[in-house]
Amino acid sequence: AQSVTQLDSQVPVFEEAPVELRCNYSSSVSVYLFWYVQYPNQGLQLLLKYLSGSTLVKGINGFEAEFNKSQTSFHLRKPSVHISDTAEYFCAVRTSNTGNQFYFGTGTSLTVIP
Amino acid sequence: ETGVTQTPRHLVMGMTNKKSLKCEQHLGHNAMYWYKQSAKKPLELMFVYNFKEQTENNSVPSRFSPECPNSSHLFLHLHTLQPEDSALYLCASSERGAGNEQFFGPGTRLTVL
Repeated sequence: AQSVTQLDSQVPVFEEAPVELRCNYSSSVSVYLFWYVQYPNQGLQLLLKYLSGSTLVKGINGFEAEFNKSQTSFHLRKPSVHISDTAEYFCAVRTSNTGNQFYFGTGTSLTVIP
Repeated sequence: ETGVTQTPRHLVMGMTNKKSLKCEQHLGHNAMYWYKQSAKKPLELMFVYNFKEQTENNSVPSRFSPECPNSSHLFLHLHTLQPEDSALYLCASSERGAGNEQFFGPGTRLTVL
């Protein structure tokens, strides 16, 4: 079975500082990787995804993530955060042999401090 | 409306009640999902439908009963729930194919008294 680990459950960071949210996965087959954001009282919204090609993926709201196959990681980064980035962030994996099933991490709560 | 919609947004019910959650997607997708989101827990996949056929049932108690009358609509029928079933219930849809992301609705916040 696949698994997704988000090592940090809570990440506080000051406004305009950089941030990295970590995600590791376990899979022996080809993976497709996703980062979602959830604002309070809302559903999940896609930030970015990695399917193939360049390992550095750029998403919405200035976020980017880097796929590292050897370390089975897909960390999310932003060089300068805003108050509006305060939200829950979820990493997800889908593999070529699991059909439509996504595997989600437990989420990281990002709090941007003014 | 566009995207994925869910009704109601909030629901309070007693343990003996029967209620239904509704999800509708306006994206032309052929797969739909129900998730349960509880505090401090990973998203729990409950059911998956492909072209109206149920393909996944992750050991969900029978007090939750899904229905997918067509590829645009998904229901979750609830009866004799327990307080621990209180959670945010999220609906999502996607195209088939591993590279396609899921689109989520805003969720229904369910409280079981």
